[in-house]
Amino acid sequence: NAGVMQNPRHLVRRRGQEARLRCSPMKGHSHVYWYRQLPEEGLKFMVYLQKENIIDESGMPKERFSAEFPKEGPSILRIQQVVRGDSAAYFCASSPQEDSPLHFGNGTRLTVT
Amino acid sequence: AQTVTQSQPEMSVQEAETVTLSCTYDTSESDYYLFWYKQPPSRQMILVIRQEAYKQQNATENRFSVNFQKAAKSFSLKISDSQLGDAAMYFCAHGGGSARQLTFGSGTQLTVLP
Repeated sequence: NAGVMQNPRHLVRRRGQEARLRCSPMKGHSHVYWYRQLPEEGLKFMVYLQKENIIDESGMPKERFSAEFPKEGPSILRIQQVVRGDSAAYFCASSPQEDSPLHFGNGTRLTVT
Repeated sequence: AQTVTQSQPEMSVQEAETVTLSCTYDTSESDYYLFWYKQPPSRQMILVIRQEAYKQQNATENRFSVNFQKAAKSFSLKISDSQLGDAAMYFCAHGGGSARQLTFGSGTQLTVLP
């Protein structure tokens, strides 16, 4: 059973460009979470999705950031008009049920130049 | 709001010895989970151990065990017989009733000395 797959592993964008981060949850997992890790810090919750629904986006910046988890395909975290402060590692996690432990992917390191 | 505090940015331990990593938390919830995650240089987040707050018995996973003091809101991780592969950043985390939104501490970098 493959783990949580995130791609790309590394992503470099210039200021003002768009970044798209992809996450395929583990097989059988319908709950997806996105976390952000700034340098030298712990992970910070961004958003929690189930298929086609955003359940909790309380950790998501109000502007430029959006997330989706369509019926078919991976979950996408989209950052528009990236700025240097968006440089971070973005982690996706999935679980089969709401109260099950999270399984994390290896993260995508976004660098904004 | 929940907070998780790890007061030891760095720790070191001799191979085969025992080390304890500290974690305290604050929460207004009565039903919650606590976790320790390990993050090696590969950056992968690996679940080490999980504790349900309603359980009085401390969780144990092989060489890893916790000391859960609910009244003191303390959740320390003990690693016995430390191995070189245990070297990593260790994060303590709190999850609410549904455990869906985890709050992480700032991490403790563990070095294992041969």
